[in-house]
Amino acid sequence: GAGVSQSPRYKVAKRGQDVALRCDPISGHVSLFWYQQALGQGPEFLTYFQNEAQLDKSGLPSDRFFAERPEGSVSTLKIQRTQQEDSAVYLCASSIQGAYYGYTFGSGTRLTVV
Amino acid sequence: TQLLEQSPQFLSIQEGENLTVYCNSSSVFSSLQWYRQEPGEGPVLLVTVVTGGEVKKLKRLTFQFGDARKDSSLHITAAQPGDTGLYLCAGAPYQTGANNLFFGTGTRLTVIP
Repeated sequence: GAGVSQSPRYKVAKRGQDVALRCDPISGHVSLFWYQQALGQGPEFLTYFQNEAQLDKSGLPSDRFFAERPEGSVSTLKIQRTQQEDSAVYLCASSIQGAYYGYTFGSGTRLTVV
Repeated sequence: TQLLEQSPQFLSIQEGENLTVYCNSSSVFSSLQWYRQEPGEGPVLLVTVVTGGEVKKLKRLTFQFGDARKDSSLHITAAQPGDTGLYLCAGAPYQTGANNLFFGTGTRLTVIP
């Protein structure tokens, strides 16, 4: 597609519920990144894929967070047993290769845990 | 942690005024990028600077990368209401295999008509 597409745009989850956030990157972009952005703050790195390989997951805050990109295109970020502190905007970005020349971001998914 | 500090955190100015936003770190970066983010949207890339001392101009915006590749500035001339948004700097670490960007704390700019 023309840009990075994320769905849903908004998600309200009850505490303890599992959620799945989807990212559809720009066609042909090898690198895919997930970031978490708290209100009024800069994005914080969660994880990075090169094609289907998850090369860095050092930013995932706990083992409740899991990401996959099985065929090297669409990616899913899954959060199990959501907690209130998980409330944030989750941003997906893609690039042709790595971070050097910058990313194209999606519009994000705003997750609210109640 | 490759911390990028931005200043000021908030800036409210009148249309037509000039402003400068700073991005500082103790770490060295192979490249540094500036993004602008509007409410409800993802950050949009404005510019990438890759050479120490580099200056790039984008219409009324001037970006500079520090000689030591640790800091950067964004200068806006004759600000307009359309410049309103959250400005983020982001650095690519200067180390083999590093592929993620570290983002600054952000500067929220409001330009009053």
